[in-house]
Amino acid sequence: DAKTTQPPSMDCAEGRAANLPCNHSTISGNEYVYWYRQIHSQGPQYIIHGLKNNETNEMASLIITEDRKSSTLILPHATLRDTAVYYCIVSYSSNTGKLIFGQGTTLQVKP
Amino acid sequence: DVKVTQSSRYLVKRTGEKVFLECVQDMDHENMFWYRQDPGLGLRLIYFSYDVKMKEKGDIPEGYSVSREKKERFSLILESASTNQTSMYLCASSRRVSSGEQYFGPGTRLTVT
Repeated sequence: DAKTTQPPSMDCAEGRAANLPCNHSTISGNEYVYWYRQIHSQGPQYIIHGLKNNETNEMASLIITEDRKSSTLILPHATLRDTAVYYCIVSYSSNTGKLIFGQGTTLQVKP
Repeated sequence: DVKVTQSSRYLVKRTGEKVFLECVQDMDHENMFWYRQDPGLGLRLIYFSYDVKMKEKGDIPEGYSVSREKKERFSLILESASTNQTSMYLCASSRRVSSGEQYFGPGTRLTVT
């Protein structure tokens, strides 16, 4: 089971920040939060991950609440190419490497 | 940048044919994975490999086999294709099994008629 809850869809205006929320209230102390996205008809793309602290890379920022029960992925200046399904993942098997994808959030960036 | 390539983007095969899907990664990653993705079912792990000539079953290995003769190459084999194997097949690699940071190929959309 995915163990995460995400809104099914969101819209964002081009050039504005896109803030994608994820609830993971049953996360355990050693589980990381991973974010992936999948553009239509392509393979999933790794974005970012974190454990406790906020993280930033060239693609996005990840804000994790202090109790770790939720997180937000921030795309600072969304473009039309950011239109995709975004997956928040906390279910990960370190024995098999299996990622358990939930339903994700479909982000539509509009001009 | 990590690059994972798959031999075909689209493939159409007949029932009963033997099908080979190939995946190559160029970042010297230890681990490679084969998933399939179906609407409403998400991604499901078929097989994975953590070293050359090593393979482990995932959640849905029935009807599939794999081969990893070289570190950079991981092949998925459908011994006798069936219509219920029509799907999007995704290959991925990671530096180590304990890392959830995986890099995916573009996918192969296989249709079995």
